[in-house]
Amino acid sequence: DTAVSQTPKYLVTQMGNDKSIKCEQNLGHDTMYWYKQDSKKFLKIMFSYNNKELIINETVPNRFSPKSPDKAHLNLHINSLELGDSAVYFCASSQLAGVREQYFGPGTRLTVT
Amino acid sequence: GENVEQHPSTLSVQEGDSAVIKCTYSDSASNYFPWYKQELGKRPQLIIDIRSNVGEKKDQRIAVTLNKTAKHFSLHITETQPEDSAVYFCAAWRTGGFKTIFGAGTRLFVKA
Repeated sequence: DTAVSQTPKYLVTQMGNDKSIKCEQNLGHDTMYWYKQDSKKFLKIMFSYNNKELIINETVPNRFSPKSPDKAHLNLHINSLELGDSAVYFCASSQLAGVREQYFGPGTRLTVT
Repeated sequence: GENVEQHPSTLSVQEGDSAVIKCTYSDSASNYFPWYKQELGKRPQLIIDIRSNVGEKKDQRIAVTLNKTAKHFSLHITETQPEDSAVYFCAAWRTGGFKTIFGAGTRLFVKA
C-alpha cells in the first residue's frame, strides 16, 4: 500500500535522449509536485499540479514537460537530455486544504552520460 | 521573493549531545513550518511541524520553536543517536500559497 510511487527508480541514459518518469499517489491528494535534488541535496521545486491543473511552473527549461492525466498521476517527460539534468527527481503529493504535509515518492536517480 | 535560510549547512555532534538547526523565513504571512528528515538514499519524510499559533512543539527527543516576530524557527534534537544522522530540511508555507519553500538542508553527523 505504497502512498507515492515512482518509476523507474534508476535511469541511465545518454545525452540527447528523451525519457519519462512516472508518479502515482493513492492518498487521494489534490496536489502533486516534481522536485529536483542535485548533488548538494538542495530540493528545487519544478512543477505542481492541483486537480490536473498546472499551478506552479518554476524556471525550468522547456525540455521538461509535466503531464497529469488525472489527479492521482503526474508524469515528467524530458527531451534532449543534458549532463546537467543528472539528479534525483522526487515526486510528492499533498492535500491542498488542511494538513500541508508533503508525501514524497522514493525518487528517481537520473544519470545522463 | 519568498526565501528560507537554513544554518548550519553541516553539523557534527557526539552521540548523546544536542543538535540545533536554525531557519529564517522572509514571508511574514507564512503560518506552517514543517521539518523533513532525509536519510541517505531515501526520501524526505516529515518529522515534526509547527503552526504559527504555537510557539513550541515537542515530540520525544525532537522539538521545534517558532519566533514569529523574528521570523525564525529552530529544530532541537536532544540525546542524539547515530540514526539521527541525515539531512534535515526546514520549510515554510502560508495559507493560500501553492508551494512550500524549503531551506537548503543541514547535514547532521552523529559520531558514536
